[in-house]
Amino acid sequence: GQNIDQPTEMTATEGAIVQINCTYQTSGFNGLFWYQQHAGEAPTFLSYNVLDGLEEKGRFSSFLSRSKGYSYLLLKELQMKDSASYLCAVTNSNYQLIWGAGTKLIIKP
Amino acid sequence: IAGITQAPTSQILAAGRRMTLRCTQDMRHNAMYWYRQDLGLGLRLIHYSNTAGTTGKGEVPDGYSVSRANTDDFPLTLASAVPSQTSVYFCASSSQGDTDTQYFGPGTRLTVL
Repeated sequence: GQNIDQPTEMTATEGAIVQINCTYQTSGFNGLFWYQQHAGEAPTFLSYNVLDGLEEKGRFSSFLSRSKGYSYLLLKELQMKDSASYLCAVTNSNYQLIWGAGTKLIIKP
Repeated sequence: IAGITQAPTSQILAAGRRMTLRCTQDMRHNAMYWYRQDLGLGLRLIHYSNTAGTTGKGEVPDGYSVSRANTDDFPLTLASAVPSQTSVYFCASSSQGDTDTQYFGPGTRLTVL
């Protein structure tokens, strides 16, 4: 079957750095997305990786290793507003988007 | 309108009743999607449409139907609601299908009693 694994919950301190991991097993691969979802709101797009390596966008970076079926989202200089769920999703060979259950990130002062 | 809108924002529905959730986008995106999101589970695709006039079944289509008469609108109908359909429903759209970024509406919180 197809599977996306992420930790259920993580806690970090304001101003620190946190890495959220995502491993996937899908029938083929055509790209990996990270979305942010605040409680009670819709998911919003953060990043897209289709080639191996690191994509940096301000305080957020996303890394992909296709050979390992692995990605991470790195959040630097954490702010209280970063408290949210982070969703990993993979496009498979049929161009279906497979979603992970999300990682709830709690930021403490 | 800017982006994707959904209506209603929330609804409480008696089991057995028919309900249509509305979704409209003004981005001229070809592809549209309906997901449900339940606690502890990832977003699950109910139905999708790659272009106006065509629809397809997703992972959990049973009990739901959709239509795509034009580019902008993609309503989701529950013919006879059951309590297991209690969920948050999100509509999304993208310009070229699943290889392109999906943009989400604000969601509809549905409770079936």
